[in-house]
Amino acid sequence: GENVEQHPSTLSVQEGDSAVIKCTYSDSASNYFPWYKQELGKRPQLIIDIRSNVGEKKDQRIAVTLNKTAKHFSLHITETQPEDSAVYFCAARDDYKLSFGAGTTVTVRA
Amino acid sequence: DAGVIQSPRHEVTEMGQEVTLRCKPISGHDYLFWYRQTMMRGLELLIYFNNNVPIDDSGMPEDRFSAKMPNASFSTLKIQPSEPRDSAVYFCASSFASKETQYFGPGTRLLVL
Repeated sequence: GENVEQHPSTLSVQEGDSAVIKCTYSDSASNYFPWYKQELGKRPQLIIDIRSNVGEKKDQRIAVTLNKTAKHFSLHITETQPEDSAVYFCAARDDYKLSFGAGTTVTVRA
Repeated sequence: DAGVIQSPRHEVTEMGQEVTLRCKPISGHDYLFWYRQTMMRGLELLIYFNNNVPIDDSGMPEDRFSAKMPNASFSTLKIQPSEPRDSAVYFCASSFASKETQYFGPGTRLLVL
């Protein structure tokens, strides 16, 4: 089955700086890569996703890049704000099943 | 749209008791997923349904766990008998077709004493 590794497990950044989270996956058949944000005590919520036929996607301060050859994808958050503090999960899907990374706890220091 | 609805939101029970978690997917969604989240194991897929039919239950940890989907708007996850190691947050998610975004419910926080 698919194995998704996510790094780092924790990330502390100064407000206004950028944050980068990296994930690798094992199954070359995976074709869809969503990122979820989970605030404390809340549900995971999709913030951005990318499909295998696209190399990069941007939505305001958030961007995701995908390198299918190397089987890795990354989340970039620019101009971080306190409300960006949360746990972020990457995931990879091979047709129907999502496999999640272990999560990255992002703390934005004011 | 109300989104995915789960009940109860919190459940505290004693070891050996039966626990039933409920989920109502988003109307029109034909895929329903049950996940379990713990600090140790992260987010794990337990089982998923397509058009009310269980497709993959390989993530169900033991025979103590069972899930049903009697119709397109309702699913249950049952644990019988419950054990302290079942304590976790259980999420239900739904999507329209397998290739589309999964939307998560608010989760049920289960504590087994």
